[in-house]
Amino acid sequence: EAGVTQSPTHLIKTRGQQATLRCSPISGHTSVYWYQQALGLGLQFLLWYDEGEERNRGNFPPRFSGRQFPNYSSELNVNALELEDSALYLCASSLTTTSGGGNEQFFGPGTRLTVL
Amino acid sequence: SQQGEEDPQALSIQEGENATMNCSYKTSINNLQWYRQNSGRGLVHLILIRSNEREKHSGRLRVTLDTSKKSSSLLITASRAADTASYFCATLFSGGYNKLIFGAGTRLAVHP
Repeated sequence: EAGVTQSPTHLIKTRGQQATLRCSPISGHTSVYWYQQALGLGLQFLLWYDEGEERNRGNFPPRFSGRQFPNYSSELNVNALELEDSALYLCASSLTTTSGGGNEQFFGPGTRLTVL
Repeated sequence: SQQGEEDPQALSIQEGENATMNCSYKTSINNLQWYRQNSGRGLVHLILIRSNEREKHSGRLRVTLDTSKKSSSLLITASRAADTASYFCATLFSGGYNKLIFGAGTRLAVHP
């Protein structure tokens, strides 16, 4: 069974540009999560999508946005890139969560975004 | 601030030895998950332990959870050089809307 896939593997942009990162969840998973792993800041939650809707958002500015498509794949868009956006962006997926319990989140290999 | 705090920050052992990593957290949780990350790549899910569980095993891995002390430990027995990686605990706290909160991680080095 294929795991979570992300593209591209690496992305280099300049300040002010926009970046689009893509994620395909494990087959059968309807929830997709985005996390940022920046040097010195650790892993931080960005966004959670389930059934096409944004369910939760981390403490990031509005220029970080995304969406989930009918096939449950997802895009993360980062507008007006800043140098500090340079990081490894990790996508994870899980089964639809039952109330209260939560499920395992399985991660993809990540997209390394470098902003020059 | 981060929910989970791992201890130690770094651990260096010889092959065959056991490695123990600890994680503490601050609020009530639904579950706690342990992950491994090799050289800044993606996270590999190791074990999920729910708040009503006290211990779980998976191969050479043993995870314990003490909700009264708000702490968990990950034990890797008979370590191998391939276990060299960073290990993170992540908590899903009650009412957390599926947002995992990660600790800073423990860097484990296993020497042949």
